[in-house]
Amino acid sequence: GNSVTQMEGPVTLSEEAFLTINCTYTATGYPSLFWYVQYPGEGLQLLLKATKADDKGSNKGFEATYRKETTSFHLEKGSVQVSDSAVYFCALISNAGGTSYGKLTFGQGTILTVHP
Amino acid sequence: SAVISQKPSRDICQRGTSLTIQCQVDSQVTMMFWYRQQPGQSLTLIATANQGSEATYESGFVIDKFPISRPNLTFSTLTVSNMSPEDSSIYLCSVEGKRGNTEAFFGQGTRLTVV
Repeated sequence: GNSVTQMEGPVTLSEEAFLTINCTYTATGYPSLFWYVQYPGEGLQLLLKATKADDKGSNKGFEATYRKETTSFHLEKGSVQVSDSAVYFCALISNAGGTSYGKLTFGQGTILTVHP
Repeated sequence: SAVISQKPSRDICQRGTSLTIQCQVDSQVTMMFWYRQQPGQSLTLIATANQGSEATYESGFVIDKFPISRPNLTFSTLTVSNMSPEDSSIYLCSVEGKRGNTEAFFGQGTRLTVV
């Protein structure tokens, strides 16, 4: 079956530090990969996505590259802000068998706290 | 993109009672999904709801506990039945995007506390 593994948290950084949150996956077929963010007290928002190998998703200074050879989709940001404090979820949709449209498999989530 | 409205946004319920959560989408979608996020945990898919057919439940979830309705292409409900404190979670509705497996959109979630 499909699975997503994220680096364990929580992660605590100072403002302007470099961020990496590791994500690896196993999936059948050709998955699309996502990073979702959940700010305190809010719902889930799509942060970025990549739909095929070597694609780079980017948004709000965050980036992640779809690496098929290492089955990874690590999230990076060069300079974090206090406002980036949130829970980050790596996720995938696999279309193997044509039965999984919209059906996401999530990683366990990584809590990021950024201090001034 | 799709705009999804969930109601209620939060509730505190007595054990043994049931709560029905509503999910309204601003456009017609084939599939709607219900997820559970237990405190401090990731999201787990409960079931997939297609209009005109019975919902498909994931392992560990049963219809008697989480009955789902899907009366049309823009609306679904999830009922959490005979609640216990272990059902305290955030429940989220999700829909597929127009481009199949490249999109998924979420409602704001329903934060349920069972006392």
